[in-house]
Amino acid sequence: SQQGEEDPQALSIQEGENATMNCSYKTSINNLQWYRQNSGRGLVHLILIRSNEREKHSGRLRVTLDTSKKSSSLLITASRAADTASYFCATDSSEGGYNKLIFGAGTRLAVHP
Amino acid sequence: DGGITQSPKYLFRKEGQNVTLSCEQNLNHDAMYWYRQDPGQGLRLIYYSQIVNDFQKGDIAEGYSVSREKKESFPLTVTSAQKNPTAFYLCASSIVHRKVSPEAFFGQGTRLTVV
Repeated sequence: SQQGEEDPQALSIQEGENATMNCSYKTSINNLQWYRQNSGRGLVHLILIRSNEREKHSGRLRVTLDTSKKSSSLLITASRAADTASYFCATDSSEGGYNKLIFGAGTRLAVHP
Repeated sequence: DGGITQSPKYLFRKEGQNVTLSCEQNLNHDAMYWYRQDPGQGLRLIYYSQIVNDFQKGDIAEGYSVSREKKESFPLTVTSAQKNPTAFYLCASSIVHRKVSPEAFFGQGTRLTVV
C-alpha cells in the first residue's frame, strides 16, 4: 500500500529555475522524508521533517509540511543540471509494531542546461 | 568504507529458476529491507527484518523468501513462484526506532531480468 503520492509525475525546467514537488499522504505520520534517486542507482536520503515541524532547510533544499492537509513540498532553488533525478517522499507506517518506510511513485525532474 | 553492498548489479534468470540477490552492510544497523521498483514506479516493500533470525512480510512478499542469519547479511531469493520477477531490487538498512522512522541507507540495486 502506497502512503505518499508525489505530484507532478514529471517536471522539466531550465537551469537556474526553482523546482517544486509535492507529496500527499493518507494517514497520520511521525515524520516524512525525501529521497533522491539517480537513474539506475540506489536512493539517497535528502532531508527528514518531523510531524511537529512546519519547514526545514538544507542548502538549496526547502521542505514544508502541512499535517492538516497531509501534504509536503520539496523546493530546490537555483536548480542545476546535476539535480536531474527522481525524487521520492517516504512516510512511516507503524503497522506490525515496527516503523517502516512507505514510498510514493516519485517525481522525475529534468533540469536542462 | 561504511556502506551497503548489493550484488550482482545485473542478474538474468531463466523461467522456473530460483535466484538469490545478495545484500551486505557494515553500518552495524539492526534493520534491513528489500524493495522492488518497476519502471517509472515507486518502491514496494517485499520483506524487512529488525533483528537477526526474525523478519516480516511486506506488501508484496509472495514469490520471495529471505533469511537473516547474520546482522550484516539479508539475502533475497526470488523463487519460481514469482510470476513477474523482472524489476530493479533495492536493499536498505537503518537503525531500529520503535516510534520514528529513521533514515534508510540504500545499496546500488540489482536489476533482475527473466530470459
